[in-house]
Amino acid sequence: AQSVTQLDSQVPVFEEAPVELRCNYSSSVSVYLFWYVQYPNQGLQLLLKYLSGSTLVESINGFEAEFKKSETSFHLTKPSAHMSDAAEYFCVLIPGYSSASKIIFGSGTRLSIRP
Amino acid sequence: GAGVSQSPSNKVTEKGKDVELRCDPISGHTALYWYRQSLGQGLEFLIYFQGNSAPDKSGLPSDRFSAERTGGSVSTLTIQRTQQEDSAVYLCASSLEDRGGVDTQYFGPGTRLLVL
Repeated sequence: AQSVTQLDSQVPVFEEAPVELRCNYSSSVSVYLFWYVQYPNQGLQLLLKYLSGSTLVESINGFEAEFKKSETSFHLTKPSAHMSDAAEYFCVLIPGYSSASKIIFGSGTRLSIRP
Repeated sequence: GAGVSQSPSNKVTEKGKDVELRCDPISGHTALYWYRQSLGQGLEFLIYFQGNSAPDKSGLPSDRFSAERTGGSVSTLTIQRTQQEDSAVYLCASSLEDRGGVDTQYFGPGTRLLVL
């Protein structure tokens, strides 16, 4: 069975400080990994995804995540936080070559930014 | 509209009543997904459609839950004989294709259901 663990339910950071949102997974098969973000009063939207190829993936707003198979991790990072980054972030796993019904969402991490 | 829409945005019902939740996906998207987000929990997958067919209904929590999709477009999630534990935000998403769920999913704003 597969699982996704987001280790922190809340992460407060100061503006312009670095951000790290942790995500670990468990799977006996290959995986596809995603980060989705939910801004206040908005629907969930895709931030970035790892399907294959380069293990470092980037979003358009400066976030990046690195797939580390040896550590079973897919942590989301940003070198400098902006007030507009305040949102809830979900790490998502889909087992490789499987059905959409196998999608697993993490419990979410709420990122708050202090001025 | 350009995005996924859901109606109603909020629904308050009495225990035992039936409710219908509606989802209008992005035009041209063949895959449609339903999720449930309960207070303090992550998103729970319920069911997905490829066209009008639901290949896997095992995510539905009980036989009180059913869903259908017509014309490859609008979908309705029906909960019969609602219970208080059904209270949650129900989210709908659509994607251009199925591809095992890896296509980018576009989410609607959700329907917040409260069962009294």
